[in-house]
Amino acid sequence: AQSVTQPDIHITVSEGASLELRCNYSYGATPYLFWYVQSPGQGLQLLLKYFSGDTLVQGIKGFEAEFKRSQSSFNLRKPSVHWSDAAEYFCAVVGYNNNDMRFGAGTRLTVKP
Amino acid sequence: DTGVSQDPRHKITKRGQNVTFRCDPISEHNRLYWYRQTLGQGPEFLTYFQNEAQLEKSRLLSDRFSAERPKGSFSTLEIQRTEQGDSAMYLCASGPTVSPTGELFFGEGSRLTVL
Repeated sequence: AQSVTQPDIHITVSEGASLELRCNYSYGATPYLFWYVQSPGQGLQLLLKYFSGDTLVQGIKGFEAEFKRSQSSFNLRKPSVHWSDAAEYFCAVVGYNNNDMRFGAGTRLTVKP
Repeated sequence: DTGVSQDPRHKITKRGQNVTFRCDPISEHNRLYWYRQTLGQGPEFLTYFQNEAQLEKSRLLSDRFSAERPKGSFSTLEIQRTEQGDSAMYLCASGPTVSPTGELFFGEGSRLTVL
């Protein structure tokens, strides 16, 4: 079965600094990968997704992620963080022809002024 | 608003009581999911419907839990004889049917507190 690991429980960055959130997955074949963001009191919102093709995918709000098969990783990046990016970020994986979307434990992002 | 809606948003109950949550998915979506999220954890898959058929259930879904989607539209999740360990956020999500690779659209969740 597929699984997701987000090694960083909490990250603090200064506003304007760059950001990288780590995600490692475990799956026997090529997975479908997602990043979701959850703000307090809000539902999960999709930032971006990877299915195939270009391994660098662009998402909303200036986020991007890179799929690296050799490292089983799908790290999320943003070149310049804004205070409104403070939230919980979840990486998720779905196996091909599988309806069970598995989430990591999440990384909480704090943005310092 | 045409997003996924859940009701109630918050429910406080005493141990041993039954509770029911409702989810109204996006109207053209026939895939519907229930997840449970506890503090500091990511959402955990509970069950999945394709139209009115419940196609998958997690082992997390004990016999005290039951989910239905009688007409392939809204869904209910019932927890019988609630326990304190059931306290969590219950999330509903829906998605288009074309393939399992489509994104899921989440509701804001129903928070359950069992006293």
